[in-house]
Amino acid sequence: KNEVEQSPQNLTAQEGEFITINCSYSVGISALHWLQQHPGGGIVSLFMLSSGKKKHGRLIATINIQEKHSSLHITASHPRDSAVYICAVLYGGSQGNLIFGKGTKLSVKP
Amino acid sequence: NAGVTQTPKFRILKIGQSMTLQCTQDMNHNYMYWYRQDPGMGLKLIYYSVGAGITDKGEVPNGYNVSRSTTEDFPLRLELAAPSQTSVYFCASSYPGRGPNEKLFFGSGTQLSVL
Repeated sequence: KNEVEQSPQNLTAQEGEFITINCSYSVGISALHWLQQHPGGGIVSLFMLSSGKKKHGRLIATINIQEKHSSLHITASHPRDSAVYICAVLYGGSQGNLIFGKGTKLSVKP
Repeated sequence: NAGVTQTPKFRILKIGQSMTLQCTQDMNHNYMYWYRQDPGMGLKLIYYSVGAGITDKGEVPNGYNVSRSTTEDFPLRLELAAPSQTSVYFCASSYPGRGPNEKLFFGSGTQLSVL
């Protein structure tokens, strides 16, 4: 069964802390997405990556294809980073083959 | 830029009623998707389309129908609504192979309750 596992499920941090959210998957993939779901429900795509590392502002995403693992890092976390972070993997070459993790709920306290 | 526009935001249906969730995008994306999100679960694909006139089933298509007559529009039809269709529905679009547009762009979601 193709699965995407995220850890931790819930994370509470103090403002300014360095945050790491992990995503592991069980099949060969062609790409991996990191998404952010705001408390109001809206979903925003943060990154799509197939190798290496991408950075945008305080967010960094890395992927290790051989180890079937990706991480999302947030530097200098802020209360506005509080959201659910979702990992999704694309396998099999078809855009319909996108499997989503259940998400990591992050709460950053001031 | 409007992006992906999805309507309505909320709807309550009675068992057996039908409705259409509307989705339109103005980014000329070829791929469009309908997902549902149940509490504590990951998003699941209902249907997707790779271009006008072409649609395909996702993981959970039963009870739903779609059409794609134009690049911009991808409505989702619920026939004979059932309580199991109570969920939050998201429309999304993308353009694989086109740099920043490879990412998924989501509508704001529709919270549907079937009572």
